[in-house]
Amino acid sequence: DAGVTQSPTHLIKTRGQHVTLRCSPISGHKSVSWYQQVLGQGPQFIFQYYEKEERGRGNFPDRFSARQFPNYSSELNVNALLLGDSALYLCASSLKSGGYYEQYFGPGTRLTVT
Amino acid sequence: AQSVSQHNHHVILSEAASLELGCNYSYGGTVNLFWYVQYPGQHLQLLLKYFSGDPLVKGIKGFEAEFIKSKFSFNLRKPSVQWSDTAEYFCAVKGSSASKIIFGSGTRLSIRP
Repeated sequence: DAGVTQSPTHLIKTRGQHVTLRCSPISGHKSVSWYQQVLGQGPQFIFQYYEKEERGRGNFPDRFSARQFPNYSSELNVNALLLGDSALYLCASSLKSGGYYEQYFGPGTRLTVT
Repeated sequence: AQSVSQHNHHVILSEAASLELGCNYSYGGTVNLFWYVQYPGQHLQLLLKYFSGDPLVKGIKGFEAEFIKSKFSFNLRKPSVQWSDTAEYFCAVKGSSASKIIFGSGTRLSIRP
């Protein structure tokens, strides 16, 4: 079975630009979560979506937004990029939201802002 | 505040040595606890998890962890490490009904052949 997939693998953007990252969950999983992992730190929770509705939001500015599509794939959008947004962005999928549902992580998208 | 502390940033061991990585958390209420591992060039994967029941949890590749509620700890152990255990290890906590997982800053484990 295919795991969580993310695209693109790497990308380089300039300050002030906008970026869209994509995630496809494991087949049958209806929940997607997004995390930011800055070099040398653990992942930090950004959003969780379940059945196309936002179920949780971390401490990130409004420049960060996300959505989930009817096929349960998800996009993370970041506007007005800052140098500090450079990080590995991880997507995780689970069967449902919260509770005892294990999250499976994708390989991540490495974003570099120059 | 909800947080996870991993006090060892980098641990270096020889093959066959025993391993214990410390993890303490701060979180009100019932928790779920995890250890994730990130091998070089690979994505984050679950090593073991505690949801309820026996506080001694066994995971993959011979790893185990013990949940000590009174100490807010969930230390990871392995009796004899191998070179292939070289990786970054993350402890994490989640409220039992919550959606977000809170990660520690990670411990880099290097094994000398």
